[in-house]
Amino acid sequence: EVQLVQSGAEVKKPGESLKISCKASGYNFTSHWIGWVRQMPGKGLEWMGIIFPRDSETRYSPSFQGQVTISADKSISTAYMQWSSLKASDTAMYYCASGGSTAFDYWGLGTLVSVSS
Amino acid sequence: EIVLSQSPGTLSLSPGERATLSCRASQSVSSSYLAWYQQKPGQAPRLFIYGASSRAAGIPDRFSGSGSGTDFTLTISRLEPEDFAVYYCQQYGNSLFTFGPGTKVDVK
Repeated sequence: EVQLVQSGAEVKKPGESLKISCKASGYNFTSHWIGWVRQMPGKGLEWMGIIFPRDSETRYSPSFQGQVTISADKSISTAYMQWSSLKASDTAMYYCASGGSTAFDYWGLGTLVSVSS
Repeated sequence: EIVLSQSPGTLSLSPGERATLSCRASQSVSSSYLAWYQQKPGQAPRLFIYGASSRAAGIPDRFSGSGSGTDFTLTISRLEPEDFAVYYCQQYGNSLFTFGPGTKVDVK
């Protein structure tokens, strides 16, 4: 059974750094892209970026380029997304999702990030 | 970047009725690269349709996708109570993904 287990909810202050994770199981981690999707409160889905764990090829949405860093550790089948300096506007649910090159078959349950002073 | 629009924003229907959801792209999208997702409140999205018309595993056949170029459609032939949710289209092109803003299907 394919599972994407995301790290728990985070409460942070503006300016703090954060790294959230997504641990995959049940499939060959290095053979499928993993993407990250933001959903702000009451809003729609926004694609942030994607990584191919085999060679760590990474692509970012222009809207998120330079705002976050996506990485993966294939030795533990885990993808990450990190911020160096959070803003209040980063408050959102963040989903990881895996799949082929064109759609996301499997989704994690999401990590809720709250940023407030 | 390809921009997706969806219409209507909200579709109010009764169980048993037919739902037709539209997704329009700002430029041509390969049919292979158009997907639809369902999201219910408090849940992660779920892939329903990929390649514009192929149902994902476990998706009932009352759901169908069609379209090409810039215009795509998700049709629910007869709404069941569990189908009331938000539906998003998504495309892949030029190494980028984008989602549409979503159509909410709610109970009339």
